[in-house]
Amino acid sequence: NAGVMQNPRHLVRRRGQEARLRCSPMKGHSHVYWYRQLPEEGLKFMVYLQKENIIDESGMPKERFSAEFPKEGPSILRIQQVVRGDSAAYFCASSPGPSGDTQYFGPGTRLTVL
Amino acid sequence: AQSVTQPDIHITVSEGASLELRCNYSYGATPYLFWYVQSPGQGLQLLLKYFSGDTLVQGIKGFEAEFKRSQSSFNLRKPSVHWSDAAEYFCAVGSMNTGFQKLVFGTGTRLLVSP
Repeated sequence: NAGVMQNPRHLVRRRGQEARLRCSPMKGHSHVYWYRQLPEEGLKFMVYLQKENIIDESGMPKERFSAEFPKEGPSILRIQQVVRGDSAAYFCASSPGPSGDTQYFGPGTRLTVL
Repeated sequence: AQSVTQPDIHITVSEGASLELRCNYSYGATPYLFWYVQSPGQGLQLLLKYFSGDTLVQGIKGFEAEFKRSQSSFNLRKPSVHWSDAAEYFCAVGSMNTGFQKLVFGTGTRLLVSP
């Protein structure tokens, strides 16, 4: 059973460009979470999605950031018009259910904004 | 709001020596508690978790942690450290207030292992 897959592993963008990060959950998992890790900090919750639904986006910046988890295909975290402060590691996690289930993390996407 | 404190930013331990990494949490109810390990450039791997029951939890790679409600602590221990244990360790608390498991992480402790 493959783990959580994220791609790309490294992404370099110039200020003003769009960044698109993908996450494929573990097989059988229909719950996806995105976290951001700024340099020298712990992970911070961004958004929680189930298939075709955003359940909680309380940790997501109000502008430029969006997330989706379509019926088919991976979950996508999209950052429009990136700025230097968006440089971070973005981790995706998945679980089979929402409550009391362990979240399994992917290897992360390291975004660098020049 | 829940929070997690890992007071030690860096810890250096000699190979073969024992290890204890501290974690204190703030949460109104009985928490779900986790320890994850992150190797350089890698994702997070779950070491162990506490949901309920026995307060001494055994994990992978010889790690264990003890939940102490009176001290709001969930310290991670290992009796004999190996060089391969050098990594960053994160304690996290799971909040069910929102109906799902929202993890709140500490800032991490970086473990260095000296020969």
